[in-house]
Amino acid sequence: DAGVTQSPTHLIKTRGQQVTLRCSPKSGHDTVSWYQQALGQGPQFIFQYYEEEERQRGNFPDRFSGHQFPNYSSELNVNALWLGDSALYLCASSSGSGARSYNEQFFGPGTRLTVL
Amino acid sequence: GNSVTQMEGPVTLSEEAFLTINCTYTATGYPSLFWYVQYPGEGLQLLLKATKADDKGSNKGFEATYRKETTSFHLEKGSVQVSDSAVYFCALLNSGYSTLTFGKGTMLLVSP
Repeated sequence: DAGVTQSPTHLIKTRGQQVTLRCSPKSGHDTVSWYQQALGQGPQFIFQYYEEEERQRGNFPDRFSGHQFPNYSSELNVNALWLGDSALYLCASSSGSGARSYNEQFFGPGTRLTVL
Repeated sequence: GNSVTQMEGPVTLSEEAFLTINCTYTATGYPSLFWYVQYPGEGLQLLLKATKADDKGSNKGFEATYRKETTSFHLEKGSVQVSDSAVYFCALLNSGYSTLTFGKGTMLLVSP
């Protein structure tokens, strides 16, 4: 089992550009959550995808969007990049039945995004 | 909204010393509480959890007790090792679909 995988590992962009990050969940998981971890901070929840739809969203602007594919993998897209978007972006997968119960989230190693 | 406050680091200890990392939270009700660990270049790993008041979570020699009176979930270990050097995050489960609110993290550095 490869666990949660993310690509790319590192990425450098300039202000105003757009970026796409990718995540493959752990085998058997159908729910993907994305978090932003700025330097020296804890991860902040961006959004969660289940059954190819955005199920919940944190306090992030519409420049942040996502997608989930039928194989449960997911993409995070960020448009009009700001310097402040520089961070480690973490993907977490879990098994979500839709019920309001906790299913452990398994985190990937993250994608380090630098915006110049 | 929900929030988690952790003691600032880095915490620097010698091998075999006693460890405490403080964590307090603000939330509606009594959310499940977690400690995650992040080793350099890796993602977050769940270290331990507690789902209700007075529960004690434990793993790999680490312990934390859910104290609703003080809204705290302090992490402790009796004898740290160099391999415990990492960043530790306290987190709570938000009501809804398994999303987490994290503290800022505390770096632990253990020297031989």
